[in-house]
Amino acid sequence: EAGVAQSPRYKIIEKRQSVAFWCNPISGHATLYWYQQILGQGPKLLIQFQNNGVVDDSQLPKDRFSAERLKGVDSTLKIQPAKLEDSAVYLCASSLARGQTEAFFGQGTRLTVV
Amino acid sequence: DAKTTQPPSMDCAEGRAANLPCNHSTISGNEYVYWYRQIHSQGPQYIIHGLKNNETNEMASLIITEDRKSSTLILPHATLRDTAVYYCISLKGGSQGNLIFGKGTKLSVKP
Repeated sequence: EAGVAQSPRYKIIEKRQSVAFWCNPISGHATLYWYQQILGQGPKLLIQFQNNGVVDDSQLPKDRFSAERLKGVDSTLKIQPAKLEDSAVYLCASSLARGQTEAFFGQGTRLTVV
Repeated sequence: DAKTTQPPSMDCAEGRAANLPCNHSTISGNEYVYWYRQIHSQGPQYIIHGLKNNETNEMASLIITEDRKSSTLILPHATLRDTAVYYCISLKGGSQGNLIFGKGTKLSVKP
């Protein structure tokens, strides 16, 4: 089966610019997650969707980060405006259902803010 | 969810068993132990999980102590491709699946 697809793989932007990441989860997976992974650390959950509804966005910096999953399939994560400390790998993951905790991760998007 | 503690790094000779420990002394009765690994430049990959019984699959074995305060992930015949960061995570059953990753153990398999 196809895995979680993310694009782009790499992105370099200047601070104060905006950027968007795209994720296509595994077909049929109702739950979708976005994680941020700063170099040398484990991934940190930013937001979790169940179908097209937000389940948990408690760690999402809402003043600059936003995410949507309009039709309950693909998702986009946006940063506007970007800061230097947003440099990280942004990982998307999906799982079959809520409480189904075998999550499948994409390869991530490496963002560098200069 | 209970906090887990892992050594920051370990080495293992190729072909030998790799035994990765994890302490989760505050784990509660309904919390599972999950293991993921992250190979360089890839996303994390699920390995195995268990509640109180030992578990085995095609990738690894998970040994959980009787008091459930610690566990060991065993890769029976480590290969160079097993070089990765291994994360031990405790998670309540039936939860929303919010995996909380620590820094994990960097396993280096050497020829």
